[in-house]
Amino acid sequence: DSGVTQTPKHLITATGQRVTLRCSPRSGDLSVYWYQQSLDQGLQFLIQYYNGEERAKGNILERFSAQQFPDLHSELNLSSLELGDSALYFCASSSSGAYNSPLHFGNGTRLTVT
Amino acid sequence: AQSVAQPEDQVNVAEGNPLTVKCTYSVSGNPYLFWYVQYPNRGLQFLLKYITGDNLVKGSYGFEAEFNKSQTSFHLKKPSALVSDSALYFCAAHTGTASKLTFGTGTRLQVTL
Repeated sequence: DSGVTQTPKHLITATGQRVTLRCSPRSGDLSVYWYQQSLDQGLQFLIQYYNGEERAKGNILERFSAQQFPDLHSELNLSSLELGDSALYFCASSSSGAYNSPLHFGNGTRLTVT
Repeated sequence: AQSVAQPEDQVNVAEGNPLTVKCTYSVSGNPYLFWYVQYPNRGLQFLLKYITGDNLVKGSYGFEAEFNKSQTSFHLKKPSALVSDSALYFCAAHTGTASKLTFGTGTRLQVTL
């Protein structure tokens, strides 16, 4: 068990809708990362937060947004959903956000857009 | 731009035999290199990392990886494979100047009896 908790495990929704994915990092970890995993795109980095502040941005669409709260949990908001957004969304955390710190992944949220 | 290549989609090996999963990288500057493993319906788990120092890095579950700067490779190895090692393996690279960890496309390891 990595100590990273993601909810919900599964989400099925329709095109055009909005969903929120939640992540609780490992105890003591200050940095949170969001990744999208799909069959055709592989593992894509979306965004990183460190202690509440955005630290790095990857291939995150404008329809997507995220934030990290004072208690360090994070939420990823996906809006105006399209069929192509169907994927596994992972949250990961690390202690310091330093480049040499390994990431600890949650078990993901599987999003299906119909 | 940094990139990571895993040239094999799948590696098949018999239990008890040595295994190698290949990874090459392209980064500017000194690389930080990682291996992760993903079991079905689970998140990625950290196996090992190379930051600096000894080119042979030992990690979890008996895995090790060899950093080769001249060949820009970081192959994952294990002397004796187990059926339970069957999973998806990801190589990843980072440099101090890059803003993200870049993952390879993954290699599926299948270990059979």
